[in-house]
Amino acid sequence: DQQVKQNSPSLSVQEGRISILNCDYTNSMFDYFLWYKKYPAEGPTFLISISSIKDKNEDGRFTVFLNKSAKHLSLHIVPSQPGDSAVYFCAAVRMDSSYKLIFGSGTRLLVRP
Amino acid sequence: GAGVSQSPSNKVTEKGKDVELRCDPISGHTALYWYRQRLGQGLEFLIYFQGNSAPDKSGLPSDRFSAERTGESVSTLTIQRTQQEDSAVYLCASSRVADTQYFGPGTRLTVL
Repeated sequence: DQQVKQNSPSLSVQEGRISILNCDYTNSMFDYFLWYKKYPAEGPTFLISISSIKDKNEDGRFTVFLNKSAKHLSLHIVPSQPGDSAVYFCAAVRMDSSYKLIFGSGTRLLVRP
Repeated sequence: GAGVSQSPSNKVTEKGKDVELRCDPISGHTALYWYRQRLGQGLEFLIYFQGNSAPDKSGLPSDRFSAERTGESVSTLTIQRTQQEDSAVYLCASSRVADTQYFGPGTRLTVL
């Protein structure tokens, strides 16, 4: 039973354009959401997060949007750069549950020069 | 300061053997997590340590898996009588309480 889903295993985008990565969740008890970025042979690196009481958080080229009614969040990267090519994982947390991260299966982003 | 380190980086073992994986968290991080990532999948939570509290073992897949942590430092994850389905990348993360988790590079375990 996957509580966090990333339905697109891969995404290819031209450099300079917007990358939009999507994530859906089923558990309405999640109260914090995060995006991690992973390069091959490295551990995931924290990118950006959003609390369930907000609908948008922005950090430079990265913006995360949360739609609680739809149980959907998205990560926007604009403008996309070749160095952004990596696997992106969406994760969710229940603060009353050991803060363990529940991860989606990841989306591989390729930014073409 | 140094990040989370894990050893070994790669481990190949034969089915039925025991393996021990090590994690050195970031100094001062009281929380420590183990996750695993099977091929093509997301990370699965295994176990969580926080200070001197009883660990949250709810993610351990079977009684062949166990983990220990000495105080707020090193942790070891032990898998007994390894099976081929145990093949995965095992990732350790540490954090301050309720804060961002920082991951190590992982140990790639291959069970032949």
